[in-house]
Amino acid sequence: DGGITQSPKYLFRKEGQNVTLSCEQNLNHDAMYWYRQDPGQGLRLIYYSQIVNDFQKGDIAEGYSVSREKKESFPLTVTSAQKNPTAFYLCASSIRPADTNTEAFFGQGTRLTVV
Amino acid sequence: KNQVEQSPQSLIILEGKNCTLQCNYTVSPFSNLRWYKQDTGRGPVSLTIMTFSENTKSNGRYTATLDADTKQSSLHITASQLSDSASYICVVSLAGGGFKTIFGAGTRLFVKA
Repeated sequence: DGGITQSPKYLFRKEGQNVTLSCEQNLNHDAMYWYRQDPGQGLRLIYYSQIVNDFQKGDIAEGYSVSREKKESFPLTVTSAQKNPTAFYLCASSIRPADTNTEAFFGQGTRLTVV
Repeated sequence: KNQVEQSPQSLIILEGKNCTLQCNYTVSPFSNLRWYKQDTGRGPVSLTIMTFSENTKSNGRYTATLDADTKQSSLHITASQLSDSASYICVVSLAGGGFKTIFGAGTRLFVKA
């Protein structure tokens, strides 16, 4: 099946630990994105990548890091520098950057909780 | 300031009834407007996308309208079903490159039997 897969679905982290969220797509899309969703707020962009080996900071990149070594994969690392990491994280992809009139496809999300 | 405001925040309707969700935006320059449906604990799924020149677009029982002059959009759901219970998110993208997309906070719809 074609699609975008996030793992794990639930993740628990102790304070001071780094964790990595996985995002894989087999849609042959060039662009990939990471968003954070908090209750009562719109999605906020963390990082995006328009092509392999290139990525750009979004609106809330502090405390996060990404890599894009392969077209299919765009993992997000939540570092200990992120002071409030508990949130629902969504990965998305589109065949071209989403500021053109193309559809973005979302994964099912990873809920990260700091314990 | 580029903003997307949705109303109401939440809505409860009976199965079979129609409803309309609102989206007002102050985004410029405008590229396109999308509506997404997000089930609880899942990722958003695209319903419609409209550019500046389009003022209505349908997807089954979902019909989106766009008034680019007043910067308003609506999503009308006809003959609601229990499976329509979800959050509906309005998203506006800016033109001119640099990738800027503004998400509304969503309207939470509850359809009751």
